[in-house]
Amino acid sequence: EVQLVESGGGLVQPRGSLRLSCAASGFTFSSYWMSWVRQAPGEGLEWVANIKQDGNERYYVDSVKGRFTISRDNAKNSLYLQMNSLRAEDTAVYYCARSFVNRYFDLWGRGTLVTVSS
Amino acid sequence: DIQMTQSPSSVSASVGDRVTITCRASQGISSWLAWYQQKPGKAPKLLIQTASSLQSGVPSRFSGSGSGTDFTLTISSLQPEDFATYYCQQGNSFPFTFGPGTKVDIK
Repeated sequence: EVQLVESGGGLVQPRGSLRLSCAASGFTFSSYWMSWVRQAPGEGLEWVANIKQDGNERYYVDSVKGRFTISRDNAKNSLYLQMNSLRAEDTAVYYCARSFVNRYFDLWGRGTLVTVSS
Repeated sequence: DIQMTQSPSSVSASVGDRVTITCRASQGISSWLAWYQQKPGKAPKLLIQTASSLQSGVPSRFSGSGSGTDFTLTISSLQPEDFATYYCQQGNSFPFTFGPGTKVDIK
């Protein structure tokens, strides 16, 4: 089955860190750009980061630059998001998404909730 | 950054109605636009990409049009399973940005 499964979310204090993981299966993971997209409670969608197939190109939304790092391990069919210096405004469901022609998101995981609160 | 706006923000409609949602980009994005459907508690689903290309498995009652800055999503005959929130997204340049969403609910 073609799927993405996120893990690693939870409650973290402001200025804390968290690492999200996404396990891909059912498709050739190494052939696709991959992305993280988030959605704050009751809000819309926000693209967070993209990473190229070989990991050599990465792009971020300005609000997370310098704090978040997207990475991947093609041997493990896994995508990661290292989140440091977390803020209350980072509270959201984080979705792992497969990037279609590096412009859209054609396969999504179920999401993992990150709550930043003291 | 390219800002995306949608109208209306919500629409109440009945089964069988024709529904049109508009999306506008703050600058030209050629045809690099996608539409997603999201139901409560679920991940978004890609419906249409490159403004008018229907994703495999998406019913033909969904259609998209437009280029440049103005785009539309049309549902020709609303079905019960179509009640959801719809988002547009520009894929022209980083950072990719989404519209605020249009909620389609039951009249």
